[in-house]
Amino acid sequence: EPEVTQTPSHQVTQMGQEVILRCVPISNHLYFYWYRQILGQKVEFLVSFYNNEISEKSEIFDDQFSVERPDGSNFTLKIRSTKLEDSAMYFCASSEKYEQFFGPGTRLTVL
Amino acid sequence: AQKVTQAQTEISVVEKEDVTLDCVYETRDTTYYLFWYKQPPSGELVFLIRRNSFDEQNEISGRYSWNFQKSTSSFNFTITASQVVDSAVYFCALSEAGGNKLVFGAGTILRVKS
Repeated sequence: EPEVTQTPSHQVTQMGQEVILRCVPISNHLYFYWYRQILGQKVEFLVSFYNNEISEKSEIFDDQFSVERPDGSNFTLKIRSTKLEDSAMYFCASSEKYEQFFGPGTRLTVL
Repeated sequence: AQKVTQAQTEISVVEKEDVTLDCVYETRDTTYYLFWYKQPPSGELVFLIRRNSFDEQNEISGRYSWNFQKSTSSFNFTITASQVVDSAVYFCALSEAGGNKLVFGAGTILRVKS
């Protein structure tokens, strides 16, 4: 069964460093998303991506964040200068239209 | 504005008990979609069900059933004869169109004890 994959599973970085989180969505899906979940809290929407452009972004998704689909399979989230409060689980998801299927997440720890 | 409320923070039951997880939503759209996701201790988010606003028929899948009531803006989830493997955090979510963001509730922690 096709699934969304994410790498790395855990990323530790120093405050102020850039990180790139990688995702491979399900191959026939058209919509791609990033969400984050701070430990013990709800899942929060960051950004959605369709037809090679951002379709919607949340207030969390400020100028420090960017997304890219550099080739036909990968979908990346870049955080330019990480802050302590960026520590969270980051989930990538993809959908054909309605049901969003999530990857296993990348746990980002900013020290 | 969209909002999903899961008032039950945590529920503990003994194996084989039935348990209902509540979900109340708010939206101004007449067309919308409701979802339930399961997050087991391993951390992944597992899709369980989608319901369209124009389809109020309740659904049963094995030990799981869902009750959608537009009149009370609720989409409740019942697990019959709970098992230890049902222990997880369950999230209710709302989307106002296909391809749109999911707005999640705060989640309900379900603990099933043997």
